[in-house]
Amino acid sequence: DAGVTQSPTHLIKTRGQQVTLRCSPKSGHDTVSWYQQALGQGPQFIFQYYEEEERQRGNFPDRFSGHQFPNYSSELNVNALLLGDSALYLCASSRESRVDYGYTFGSGTRLTVV
Amino acid sequence: GQSLEQPSEVTAVEGAIVQINCTYQTSGFYGLSWYQQHDGGAPTFLSYNALDGLEETGRFSSFLSRSDSYGYLLLQELQMKDSASYFCAWPSWDNQGGKLIFGQGTELSVKP
Repeated sequence: DAGVTQSPTHLIKTRGQQVTLRCSPKSGHDTVSWYQQALGQGPQFIFQYYEEEERQRGNFPDRFSGHQFPNYSSELNVNALLLGDSALYLCASSRESRVDYGYTFGSGTRLTVV
Repeated sequence: GQSLEQPSEVTAVEGAIVQINCTYQTSGFYGLSWYQQHDGGAPTFLSYNALDGLEETGRFSSFLSRSDSYGYLLLQELQMKDSASYFCAWPSWDNQGGKLIFGQGTELSVKP
């Protein structure tokens, strides 16, 4: 049973460019959340998608946007990239939008902005 | 505000026992989770405490005291493969959905 799959694994972009990251949730999961993890820090919540809608959003600018597709997969888009956007971007899936226990995380996309 | 505090680094020897503490300030507390992350890979769920007390899962145990806003992760019979970062996290939920609030993480180094 495949877990959470993210692509690409690594990405290098130039400041000002746009990037799209992709996530396929674990089989049976319908909710996808995105997190940003800077080096040496804990993951920071970006937003969550459930039933193809953004249900909750963290403290991130509008440059960060997303989408969830009918098959529950999701994309994270970041526009006008800044050097400070360099981080590991993690996707987490769960069965329902409310989860009091374990989320399943992917291995992430390492984004470097130069 | 909402915050979770944990030590940045802990070092222990193989076979020993180590405790990683987590203190928190949150509202609408639903419990405390623990995650393990190796070298910037996928965080892996370890345990969840909804109520006060000790939860045991093999070599790992987790404890919660709501009255003290405090929890810890206890790792016994340490192995080299336990070297990783450990995060306490607060599962937050409202009618807009759920999210995890993570601490800064504790890097555990297990020495031979």
